Amino acid sequence: KNQVEQSPQSLIILEGKNCTLQCNYTVSPFSNLRWYKQDTGRGPVSLTIMTFSENTKSNGRYTATLDADTKQSSLHITASQLSDSASYICVVSEEGGFKTIFGAGTRLFVKA
Amino acid sequence: DAGVIQSPRHEVTEMGQEVTLRCKPISGHNSLFWYRQTMMRGLELLIYFNNNVPIDDSGMPEDRFSAKMPNASFSTLKIQPSEPRDSAVYFCASSLGLVSYEQYFGPGTRLTVT
Repeated sequence: KNQVEQSPQSLIILEGKNCTLQCNYTVSPFSNLRWYKQDTGRGPVSLTIMTFSENTKSNGRYTATLDADTKQSSLHITASQLSDSASYICVVSEEGGFKTIFGAGTRLFVKA
Repeated sequence: DAGVIQSPRHEVTEMGQEVTLRCKPISGHNSLFWYRQTMMRGLELLIYFNNNVPIDDSGMPEDRFSAKMPNASFSTLKIQPSEPRDSAVYFCASSLGLVSYEQYFGPGTRLTVT
C-alpha cells in the first residue's frame, strides 16, 4: 500500500535555529515529491518539487533532499523565523498518472 | 496577477441541501485540481482536469459529489445532497501542466454542514 509518513508530528524550535523535517514513502513507481508550507487558514504553498533524478533542491532558506533508493526526503530550514510557523506537508505522486499520496504533515512552531 | 479565486470563502448549510463551490484558475493554466482537507484525513485529491477535461475522479468520495469545468476559466464542485461529514475546507489549485509543475492553491472554501 502506498504511504507517506512524516516525522515529527510537531516540533517547537527557537527563532534562529535550524531544523529538519522527515518524509518516508513507499509510493511506487515514483514520479515526484513535493513539499508544501501551509499557514493556518490558508492554502498550501509549494516549496520544492523533485523528480527521481534530483537529490537536492533549495528555495531560499528551505532545502529539500531526496534519496530515491531509500525512499526518504527531508526538508531543512535554516535560521528559522517566526513566519516559518506552519504545517509542512510532503506529497508523493505515482508515475504514469497523477495519483498523489499526502503525508499528515509536521506542525512547526517557531518561538521568539 | 490574481491567484486562484474561490467562492464562497465560507458556506454553512443544512444537511440535504445542495452546495456549489466555485473556482477560477490562474489565467493560462491548463490543469485544475480540487482537494478536500479535514483534521482527520488531511489533504485529499478529489478530481483533476486537464484542458477542461476530467482526467481522474477516483478521489471523489461518493456519487453525491460532482465537478465540472465548462471552460478554461471556471470550475464547480457540487455536493447534492450534503451531509455533515462533508464539512471540510475545499481547495482548488491550478498549474501549467499535470506532472512536476507547481500547483497554486486558492484560499479555500470552508464548508459546514449542520
